[in-house]
Amino acid sequence: DAGITQSPRHKVTETGTPVTLRCHQTENHRYMYWYRQDPGHGLRLIHYSYGVKDTDKGEVSDGYSVSRSKTEDFLLTLESATSSQTSVYFCAISEGPGINEQFFGPGTRLTVL
Amino acid sequence: AQSVTQLGSHVSVSEGALVLLRCNYSSSVPPYLFWYVQYPNQGLQLLLKYTSAATLVKGINGFEAEFKKSETSFHLTKPSAHMSDAAEYFCAVSDRGSSNTGKLIFGQGTTLQVKP
Repeated sequence: DAGITQSPRHKVTETGTPVTLRCHQTENHRYMYWYRQDPGHGLRLIHYSYGVKDTDKGEVSDGYSVSRSKTEDFLLTLESATSSQTSVYFCAISEGPGINEQFFGPGTRLTVL
Repeated sequence: AQSVTQLGSHVSVSEGALVLLRCNYSSSVPPYLFWYVQYPNQGLQLLLKYTSAATLVKGINGFEAEFKKSETSFHLTKPSAHMSDAAEYFCAVSDRGSSNTGKLIFGQGTTLQVKP
């Protein structure tokens, strides 16, 4: 299995509080992605990174920010959590774009009350 | 914009029966195509991918998929279902036009139930 960990694995928080989710990889892959999974929507891309300090928005980026100061870590921050951000969040890594496989982490279940 | 449609959010088959999970994409240029599987409370695992080298793609666990350009389809099949195949399956595409990002567009998923 690809070396990807996500922390925390479960979190319950209140509306309006900031939340940071961490993705850590040991594969030295250049590309990292954050997705959210919601019933009936599959997975949707929030943000991605194509190198240290190189990030870009995905299709559902509103309310989220990311940072990547090291190859191995990709942080997802909810500046002020809302109930609509209750979801399961997955990090993925890839050696490169296009046909390269994305390897997924175990996920973080976030509940915003 | 690129999109993926999986027909049927739930599919139920008997053990030993044929599995057919449908996926259609929208693109004027054939994209890269993937099937992923998700077991309960786990992340996604790649089953197979279409690289344009062959239209019939074989993956892990006995699954295969056939790329049909004329039908813009990439349906997943397995001749004989096993109880361990019960999971959620996702079809995904990566636009060749934006291949410098590797962004995946996922279908909504199909839950496969296997009855004994």
